Amino acid sequence: DAGVIQSPRHEVTEMGQEVTLRCKPISGHDYLFWYRQTMMRGLELLIYFNNNVPIDDSGMPEDRFSAKMPNASFSTLKIQPSEPRDSAVYFCASTRTGAGANVLTFGAGSRLTVL
Amino acid sequence: AQSVTQPDIHITVSEGASLELRCNYSYGATPYLFWYVQSPGQGLQLLLKYFSGDTLVQGIKGFEAEFKRSQSSFNLRKPSVHWSDAAEYFCAVGALNDYKLSFGAGTTVTVRA
Repeated sequence: DAGVIQSPRHEVTEMGQEVTLRCKPISGHDYLFWYRQTMMRGLELLIYFNNNVPIDDSGMPEDRFSAKMPNASFSTLKIQPSEPRDSAVYFCASTRTGAGANVLTFGAGSRLTVL
Repeated sequence: AQSVTQPDIHITVSEGASLELRCNYSYGATPYLFWYVQSPGQGLQLLLKYFSGDTLVQGIKGFEAEFKRSQSSFNLRKPSVHWSDAAEYFCAVGALNDYKLSFGAGTTVTVRA
């Protein structure tokens, strides 16, 4: 299995621009998570999906952030408009219901820099 | 709400020496506990996990951790570190039927020759 695939790996953009981060979970996994990692706040859960349905989005910072999962093999995290304080590494992770379901497999992350 | 505390932000250890990373959790029910490792520029890799049973769990790369309910701790240990163990280590807590994890702030390990 190719693991959790995230793109882009690096993104540099200017304040006010729209940013879209993408994630392909492991095939057969029915849970997908978006985390954000910063020096100040560590790893924060932004949102997670089960069977493509958002279950908990309480970690989404504000309305500028949105996430979708149109099908079992694809999810996006969008920031519009972006701000410098959004600079962080964004991780996607997935797992499946059942034994060991709490074991998340992480992607390599998307490093976002907003100038 | 569940939470994790990793008291040590940074630890420096000599190659070949032993390593212990501390983790304390707060959770009302039986926790599921994890240690992940993150090498520079990489994602998080699972080292080991505890769900139930034997409180001493073995993981990859020669790491082990011990669950102590009375101390709400899940400390990670390695008897002899290698230079390749230099990384950031995260302790995390989850729960049965609650698939999201809460992570500690992480401990950065530096290995000196």
